[in-house]
Amino acid sequence: EIVLTQSPATLSLSPGERATLSCRASQSVSTYLAWYRQKPGQAPRLLIYDASTRAAGLPGRFSGSGSGTDFTLTISSLDPEDFAVYYCQQRFNWPFTFGGGTKVEI
Amino acid sequence: EVQLVESGGGLVQPGRSLRLTCAASGFILDDNAMHWVRQPPGKGLEWVAGISWNSGSVEYADSVKGRFTISRDNARNTLYLKMNGLRREDTALYYCSRDMDRAAIPPSGYGLDVWGQGTTVTVSS
Repeated sequence: EIVLTQSPATLSLSPGERATLSCRASQSVSTYLAWYRQKPGQAPRLLIYDASTRAAGLPGRFSGSGSGTDFTLTISSLDPEDFAVYYCQQRFNWPFTFGGGTKVEI
Repeated sequence: EVQLVESGGGLVQPGRSLRLTCAASGFILDDNAMHWVRQPPGKGLEWVAGISWNSGSVEYADSVKGRFTISRDNARNTLYLKMNGLRREDTALYYCSRDMDRAAIPPSGYGLDVWGQGTTVTVSS
């Protein structure tokens, strides 16, 4: 099973600041990685797939990068609705594992 | 409106069974692979099971293999998860989700683009 490790566990920032979230895979997943945001009490929402492709309707402040084992989700300027938990998920091999999440808090 | 609505959760004793249902609307179910993802209280997401558009490919997390069965009825636009031999560690909010990919056979460069609001399963005596 491919293990995804997200860091940091918690990121404390202010609205308007830049957020950089990391996801590291235990083996190469090429670019078969997706990112999700989960606001409190809500279902997750797809943000990025194939490591760097933005999902439909996603604001341009979100960007994804990386390949192999190291991936980054960047939010260029935090909006109040971005304070949430973010998960990465690999789709290189079964099972489609998720990382443990990064909480972005004010 | 594209929507997924889960049902069938509840309180169940250890060792018993439960069947979850996910009703899809606003899209044709057989255009997409589907998955179940769960989230224990206060914890992160865990992928549980996935099924291709035609049920030709089915996969499970090791934690549920041999106990859970994912299935689908495209004619009824419905996804199922039959859970046998439930354990306390199966307690979670269970989400069904739509895959952007029809087959979702890895490697797959897509993601889960539609999610339901979840149904809660509590396993306790």
